Amino acid sequence: KQEVTQIPAALSVPEGENLVLNCSFTDSAIYNLQWFRQDPGKGLTSLLLIQSSQREQTSGRLNASLDKSSGRSTLYIAASQPGDSATYLCAVSSNTGKLIFGQGTTLQVKP
Amino acid sequence: EAQVTQNPRYLITVTGKKLTVTCSQNMNHEYMSWYRQDPGLGLRQIYYSMNVEVTDKGDVPEGYKVSRKEKRNFPLILESPSPNQTSLYFCASSFRGRGENYGYTFGSGTRLTVV
Repeated sequence: KQEVTQIPAALSVPEGENLVLNCSFTDSAIYNLQWFRQDPGKGLTSLLLIQSSQREQTSGRLNASLDKSSGRSTLYIAASQPGDSATYLCAVSSNTGKLIFGQGTTLQVKP
Repeated sequence: EAQVTQNPRYLITVTGKKLTVTCSQNMNHEYMSWYRQDPGLGLRQIYYSMNVEVTDKGDVPEGYKVSRKEKRNFPLILESPSPNQTSLYFCASSFRGRGENYGYTFGSGTRLTVV
């Protein structure tokens, strides 16, 4: 059974810092991995999608990497801003299309 | 604008009163799915649909029904809601090609309270 773990569960950093969020999964037979952002009580906003054949994706200050063989992904956020404060969710896709989510990392960026 | 639209955003209802949460997408996606999000349990899949008239159970289907009569719509039906179905519900859709799903778009969520 696929399990997704995100570390750390919570993170507080001063504005301007570069930071890394970690995601690990137990079964390397994934179709893709997607990072989402969720603001309190709100919906999920897709940040980056990495297909199983890809190693990384970049969008602005965000860079996500994928190492299928070791079951790991990282989300790198450069020059963090208070507006980046949110919960970040990692999810892997199975062959039925089901997304299996981690519990998320709650990020607080202090001005 | 490409989006998944859920209605209502907030709903308070009483035990046993049938309700439907609607979901509609304008991206011509084949794949649609419902999730519920609960504190400490994260997001769990309720039902999914690979295409019109094709639906299947997810991890927590008990107490829910779905239908997919049109490609754009995927309503979630609670025939007899109970308090343990109080949750935040999300609808999602995805383009599906060559057996893979290409990224998911989520709706804004429906916060359901059953008293």
